[in-house]
Amino acid sequence: GDSVTQMEGPVTLSEEAFLTINCTYTATGYPSLFWYVQYPGEGLQLLLKATKADDKGSNKGFEATYRKETTSFHLEKGSVQVSDSAVYFCASSSWGKFQFGAGTQVVVTP
Amino acid sequence: EPEVTQTPSHQVTQMGQEVILRCVPISNHLYFYWYRQILGQKVEFLVSFYNNEISEKSEIFDDQFSVERPDGSNFTLKIRSTKLEDSAMYFCASRTGTSGSSYEQYFGPGTRLTVT
Repeated sequence: GDSVTQMEGPVTLSEEAFLTINCTYTATGYPSLFWYVQYPGEGLQLLLKATKADDKGSNKGFEATYRKETTSFHLEKGSVQVSDSAVYFCASSSWGKFQFGAGTQVVVTP
Repeated sequence: EPEVTQTPSHQVTQMGQEVILRCVPISNHLYFYWYRQILGQKVEFLVSFYNNEISEKSEIFDDQFSVERPDGSNFTLKIRSTKLEDSAMYFCASRTGTSGSSYEQYFGPGTRLTVT
């Protein structure tokens, strides 16, 4: 079945550092791919998405590119802020069914 | 902007009691979902619901669980006899039925269920 694997955390960074969170997927078809963010005590918020190969999703300085050849959707941000501290979930959706990765906690220190 | 809402935000119940978690999906959405997240773990799919019936469920969604859309707006998850291991955050989600929507699901803020 479909699955999503993302790098384990926590990832601890200093403010203005570069962030990468790796995500790979397995799917029988061509899923849509998503990154969701969960701030402490809150629900899941859609951060960005991509629906087909080579699409780049972007939002709030975060980017991720749908790479079919490597079945990846790595999340990147060039300069993180303390307010980016959260748990980030990679997810795939085939025919409406979501598979989530385990989540990566990101801690940004001043 | 329309959003998915869930009530209550936090529910504390004793083991063996029944609980009903409530969700109001976005009004023009046709597909509804429940997920759970045990503290510190991944978000797990429980059930999907379309056209007034369950379209898919996971192995977690056993006979203790049921879902219902009692009217045109609410979508509920009932746990018949709660166990300690049911303690988790429960998320409701919904999406449109239109093609080209990328199957994006909109999530509610969650209900934290604590079973004592």
